[in-house]
Amino acid sequence: DVKVTQSSRYLVKRTGEKVFLECVQDMDHENMFWYRQDPGLGLRLIYFSYDVKMKEKGDIPEGYSVSREKKERFSLILESASTNQTSMYLCASSSFVSNTEAFFGQGTRLTVV
Amino acid sequence: QKEVEQNSGPLSVPEGAIASLNCTYSDRVSQSFFWYRQYSGKSPELIMSIYSNGDKEDGRFTAQLNKASQYVSLLIRDSQPSDSATYLCAVNPGGQNFVFGPGTRLSVLP
Repeated sequence: DVKVTQSSRYLVKRTGEKVFLECVQDMDHENMFWYRQDPGLGLRLIYFSYDVKMKEKGDIPEGYSVSREKKERFSLILESASTNQTSMYLCASSSFVSNTEAFFGQGTRLTVV
Repeated sequence: QKEVEQNSGPLSVPEGAIASLNCTYSDRVSQSFFWYRQYSGKSPELIMSIYSNGDKEDGRFTAQLNKASQYVSLLIRDSQPSDSATYLCAVNPGGQNFVFGPGTRLSVLP
């Protein structure tokens, strides 16, 4: 069964903290994505990666960075968390070769206080 | 700017009725189309994918694609209260990324 796993379901962090959100997929997918989802704004792409050590900015990369050192793992980093980064964060992966659907992790609800 | 548009809803239908969800997209070269269901507080899960013009049926769900009109729809027959969720239309415009619509909230009334 395909699986995308995010390291935390809920996180509470303080303003200014450095925050790491981890995502692991077991489908040998080339593509991995980080989205945030806010009420009324839909899914917004933060970063995506199509290969190890490769990354591309999405629509809202400001305040975020990413790391992809291994094919199965894609990390989202909030360098200095702010309250406006309180959101649901969703990781997804997809196959480069077959160009099929994106599979989502369970999501991380991050609250920055 | 590649865009995917959906009516935000809420779309309310009585139990047992057909729910019709619509989506239009701007990038004419798009090749892959997906419908996701998302329950409140949960992550999106794939319901249907469609790649060629026409209808594709899976149980109570039918996806319809018309590339000439840049239109994709999802029909849910015999709607159940458990179908109440937000439905996201997603398009792969040919690259490695996905463009998601804002979602349509469906409410099935018992």
